[in-house]
Amino acid sequence: GDSVTQMEGPVTLSEEAFLTINCTYTATGYPSLFWYVQYPGEGLQLLLKATKADDKGSNKGFEATYRKETTSFHLEKGSVQVSDSAVYFCALSGNTGFQKLVFGTGTRLLVSP
Amino acid sequence: EAQVTQNPRYLITVTGKKLTVTCSQNMNHEYMSWYRQDPGLGLRQIYYSMNVEVTDKGDVPEGYKVSRKEKRNFPLILESPSPNQTSLYFCASKDTLGTEAFFGQGTRLTVV
Repeated sequence: GDSVTQMEGPVTLSEEAFLTINCTYTATGYPSLFWYVQYPGEGLQLLLKATKADDKGSNKGFEATYRKETTSFHLEKGSVQVSDSAVYFCALSGNTGFQKLVFGTGTRLLVSP
Repeated sequence: EAQVTQNPRYLITVTGKKLTVTCSQNMNHEYMSWYRQDPGLGLRQIYYSMNVEVTDKGDVPEGYKVSRKEKRNFPLILESPSPNQTSLYFCASKDTLGTEAFFGQGTRLTVV
């Protein structure tokens, strides 16, 4: 079945450092790919998405590119802020309609001043 | 404001005492779903519904029930809760054509 693998955390960075959180997936066909963010005590919010190969999703300085050849969707940000501290989930949705999102295990990001 | 509302946010209960977690969305979405979040496991789907009176099992449905009598509501029912159902639960909704799912704020359930 479909699956998502993302790097284990926590990832600890200083403010203004470069961020990469790796995500790879296994799926049949051409899934849509997502990054969701969960701030402390809150639900999940969509951060960015890409629906086809070579698409780049971007939002709030975060970017991720849908790489079909490497089945990857790595999350990057050039300069993190303390307010980016959260748990980040990579997810996919099959291309036959939304019945479920398949999530990775989540990566906690801690940014210190 | 578009939102998915879950209640309660926190619940402590005893083994075997039936409980219901409510979920309501105000976006007229067809799809609704329940997930549980556990450390090291990410989010796993419990049940989903594609429209009123249409529900189906997700990956971890054992011990749970759902109903979809109205489009906006999708309650999660635990008939006889057990300690292994202690978890953080999320409700989500999505419309037919969009790709973004909207999540509630979560319900932290503890079964003792």
